[in-house]
Amino acid sequence: GDSVTQMEGPVTLSEEAFLTINCTYTATGYPSLFWYVQYPGEGLQLLLKATKADDKGSNKGFEATYRKETTSFHLEKGSVQVSDSAVYFCATNTGGFKTIFGAGTRLFVKA
Amino acid sequence: GAVVSQHPSWVICKSGTSVKIECRSLDFQATTMFWYRQFPKQSLMLMATSNEGSKATYEQGVEKDKFLINHASLTLSTLTVTSAHPEDSSFYICSARGGTGSYSNQPQHFGDGTRLSIL
Repeated sequence: GDSVTQMEGPVTLSEEAFLTINCTYTATGYPSLFWYVQYPGEGLQLLLKATKADDKGSNKGFEATYRKETTSFHLEKGSVQVSDSAVYFCATNTGGFKTIFGAGTRLFVKA
Repeated sequence: GAVVSQHPSWVICKSGTSVKIECRSLDFQATTMFWYRQFPKQSLMLMATSNEGSKATYEQGVEKDKFLINHASLTLSTLTVTSAHPEDSSFYICSARGGTGSYSNQPQHFGDGTRLSIL
């Protein structure tokens, strides 16, 4: 069945460091791909999305490119800030109603 | 953009109490809403899919008599935790798909979650 695998955390970086959080997916057809972010004590927010191969989603300095050949959607940011500390979830919509989430990757950014 | 409002944000109550959590889509209609449970430092666990005007679809292992879901309108779904006990303490989050484009391309829009603490 459909699944999403993302790198285990926690990831600890210093401010202004480069961030990569890997995500790969298994899905039939042409799924849409998403990154969500969850700040402490809050629900999830959509960070960015891509709906077809080679699309690049971007928001708040984060970006991810839909790579069908490697079934990947890695999240990157060139220079992280302390305020980026959160849990990041990679996800894909299945052909039906459900959304499949990865396990989440916790990011800590130190000043 | 699509907004989902969840209420209350925090509940503390005694064991044996029933607790109702509301989830509203504020600016779009949601024929389908989702209820998740999240344990500390873990991912979301889908509990059930709430379908407007029909019975909810529960995931395996989720007690439908314990977690009652009602989706009476296109903008409101409720989750009632009946006779709650300390093991039901958790963070509950609702969501609904919405936005432009085809349904399969629409992201989930999440409520802010409800932290339930049963004493």
